[in-house]
Amino acid sequence: QVQLVQSGADVKKPGASVKVSCKASGYTFTGYYLHWVRQAPGQGLEYLGRIDPNSGATNYAQKFQDRVTVTWDTSINTAYMELNRLMSDDTAVYFCARDNEPATGNFGAFDIWGQGTMVTVSS
Amino acid sequence: EIVLTQSPGTLSLSPGERATLSCRASQRVSSSHLGWYQQKPGQAPRLLIYGAYRRATGIPDRFSGSGSGTDFTLTISRLEPEDFAVYYCQHYGDAVRTFGQGTKVEIK
Repeated sequence: QVQLVQSGADVKKPGASVKVSCKASGYTFTGYYLHWVRQAPGQGLEYLGRIDPNSGATNYAQKFQDRVTVTWDTSINTAYMELNRLMSDDTAVYFCARDNEPATGNFGAFDIWGQGTMVTVSS
Repeated sequence: EIVLTQSPGTLSLSPGERATLSCRASQRVSSSHLGWYQQKPGQAPRLLIYGAYRRATGIPDRFSGSGSGTDFTLTISRLEPEDFAVYYCQHYGDAVRTFGQGTKVEIK
């Protein structure tokens, strides 16, 4: 079945970087945009950015423009989100999610989500 | 950047009642790019509605979406026990997506 499986929980110190992976299965990985969303404890959903797995083109939310990098490896159907210069406010569950429209220039809602990865930033 | 404002923040209702959730955009958006999600504690969000009114696969017909321009609504016709959760609207008409802050539907 179509699914996204993320890497496990991580603990980092302030100032460090974290890299979360998202492995896709059950569909053509290069055919759909892949997005990253986070949720701080007790808070709402916050969008970070996306990648076109076909071209590697990325777009980021302005708030994270200088700290986040989304990459991919089509040989293993996996996308990655790296967040740099971590602060305690970055403590959150990080989700990857797939568009429900093919990546042909259309924009879709998020029909498939990963299970989430808890990232804790603490000294 | 389009800002989505959801209201109310919390909705206290009883099972069997009707729930009406609002999502207002800071500027006019295409209804083709407005979606709604349900999230329960400890779970990833689940897509309920896309294109303002289209139900996602497997979503019961007690969930319906409507609206256009800047004002959109999610209606749950008769609340079931499993519907008590947090609901988010989303605009996906730009490469960078945005979410509303959420409405919690709690048991009265």
